[in-house]
Amino acid sequence: TQLLEQSPQFLSIQEGENLTVYCNSSSVFSSLQWYRQEPGEGPVLLVTVVTGGEVKKLKRLTFQFGDARKDSSLHITAAQPGDTGLYLCAGARNTDKLIFGTGTRLQVFP
Amino acid sequence: DAGVTQSPTHLIKTRGQQVTLRCSPKSGHDTVSWYQQALGQGPQFIFQYYEEEERQRGNFPDRFSGHQFPNYSSELNVNALLLGDSALYLCASSLDVTSGYTDTQYFGPGTRLTVL
Repeated sequence: TQLLEQSPQFLSIQEGENLTVYCNSSSVFSSLQWYRQEPGEGPVLLVTVVTGGEVKKLKRLTFQFGDARKDSSLHITAAQPGDTGLYLCAGARNTDKLIFGTGTRLQVFP
Repeated sequence: DAGVTQSPTHLIKTRGQQVTLRCSPKSGHDTVSWYQQALGQGPQFIFQYYEEEERQRGNFPDRFSGHQFPNYSSELNVNALLLGDSALYLCASSLDVTSGYTDTQYFGPGTRLTVL
């Protein structure tokens, strides 16, 4: 059973477009993290959200944690080719054992 | 300041063999977690080591074992390799801030294991 479902699984867009990636679960998490992973490398942490309803911005990236702390979204404005990669959400439930989502592979074409 | 390092980068083994993967944590970190990432999937938690002991474990068989050394580095051992063990093995290090909970985990580049 996959505790964290991400959608879409794959996304191919043109440079300048906006996009949203969703991370959904039926379980409550004490915190949720978003990572980006490039081929041949480990995941790199983008942000951690801990409070229900919390919104965090990182340049063109906006992260939101659902009010019930069961879901999250990542919105990218004006995507660039450098945003290409595998985006992973990961939840923690009162421990630091991370439960990763299924991943969203983003390709941004120039 | 060196980040998390792993060795080797790539490894090819045959079914039934045994393998040892190594991880050096980020400077100042005392906790090491291991994850398995199959192709096209998110990482799956294998286990975590703190103070040279396994503190948490995911749903992996006993063929997967580990060790943490006094300098906080860690090894992951897999016995009786199966084709399905082919994956990217990731090590993440962190600093224990309260009992059983650590700060942000930083990932190494991983070891790509191929079992033929």
